[in-house]
Amino acid sequence: RKEVEQDPGPFNVPEGATVAFNCTYSNSASQSFFWYRQDCRKEPKLLMSVYSSGNEDGRFTAQLNRASQYISLLIRDSKLSDSATYLCVVKGGGFKTIFGAGTRLFVKA
Amino acid sequence: DAMVIQNPRYQVTQFGKPVTLSCSQTLNHNVMYWYQQKSSQAPKLLFHYYDKDFNNEADTPDNFQSRRPNTSFCFLDIRSPGLGDAAMYLCATSRDQGPEQYFGPGTRLTVT
Repeated sequence: RKEVEQDPGPFNVPEGATVAFNCTYSNSASQSFFWYRQDCRKEPKLLMSVYSSGNEDGRFTAQLNRASQYISLLIRDSKLSDSATYLCVVKGGGFKTIFGAGTRLFVKA
Repeated sequence: DAMVIQNPRYQVTQFGKPVTLSCSQTLNHNVMYWYQQKSSQAPKLLFHYYDKDFNNEADTPDNFQSRRPNTSFCFLDIRSPGLGDAAMYLCATSRDQGPEQYFGPGTRLTVT
């Protein structure tokens, strides 16, 4: 079983749609969680951290469920520019950083 | 201005011929990481430096080595590249344990 698992997609949605991605992790001792965005053939960039209480940044909402060991990302009012791969990232104590393989999103006009 | 710079952006090497990839940063971060990312796969951490302390991941092959001569620079050496080492190599930095890691644009390595 992979340490961090994501549905690879692709998710094809029209502009303005709401789309949600889930990610599961295997290590219950994981301490911090993030969503990164990676555009085609570019480097990953931090989208948002994920807090236990849930957090929102504009059209993006992230949730963490420690009991079920999954995190989620909700994108409202999708834009063409949201098309990218979304990487779920989990950290334990220290520097160990585990990336998921990513979920591909295509937003179409 | 670029904060994490990787050179070259594209590297072609022959099977078994040593190759060195370089990374530099202007962020003055004390932690530098090297990741390997193959097509449609997750970035996989190879090792990191915390200041001068080198930390190798348990499953990183011995074929991969790293050097960090100063805070700003870090090198990835592949002693005998195999065809399976063709990938994108990403350098990243952070201040202590993060939370955010800043990535360079990557070096795409081709092994012929």
